[in-house]
Amino acid sequence: DTEVTQTPKHLVMGMTNKKSLKCEQHMGHRAMYWYKQKAKKPPELMFVYSYEKLSINESVPSRFSPECPNSSLLNLHLHALQPEDSALYLCASSKRVGGNTGELFFGEGSRLTVL
Amino acid sequence: SQELEQSPQSLIVQEGKNLTINCTSSKTLYGLYWYKQKYGEGLIFLMMLQKGGEEKSHEKITAKLDEKKQQSSLHITASQPSHAGIYLCGAHPGGSEKLVFGKGTKLTVNP
Repeated sequence: DTEVTQTPKHLVMGMTNKKSLKCEQHMGHRAMYWYKQKAKKPPELMFVYSYEKLSINESVPSRFSPECPNSSLLNLHLHALQPEDSALYLCASSKRVGGNTGELFFGEGSRLTVL
Repeated sequence: SQELEQSPQSLIVQEGKNLTINCTSSKTLYGLYWYKQKYGEGLIFLMMLQKGGEEKSHEKITAKLDEKKQQSSLHITASQPSHAGIYLCGAHPGGSEKLVFGKGTKLTVNP
């Protein structure tokens, strides 16, 4: 099983809603990532979890709250988002932790629209 | 911060033609990754290059790493419509676990 599964594929939410994006991998990878991708732009790193602990937060606003409940799951909790937060949110995992992680396996993404 | 510059930004070729995409880093490269993305979808890993002079091939795609020049090239031979998409190079700045990407090269292959 070499997949990273993200749900939901599409999400529309209002600025006062609370929602969550979910990511799951069963490859035994110990590093997991959230990226944000705006249209016609490259993915931008948001968070990195290594061994279920937050190791990198790229100065992401607190309205985005990551959570890693176990080594297979990664959540991104969303609250009080702004329309400019509308984007494709990509989850990824890697076998190795730390520098030169090797291949990152990406999910298909969750497309978020904030009204 | 490390920046990856890709050229060209977009490329339109006729099916069967060869093409090359370049990726140049502003800082020392600790490995270089190539990914492909279809619009609105996840990234598909193509190749990882770790050593200067390294060259890897997968089907009709070949990538090379010139560590001294801090750049990599991706070459597609006899392009097909299935090669169309956005090609992204990625690297770890300063050898960190972060993976950052270039702005991408959009490839269109006309049948």
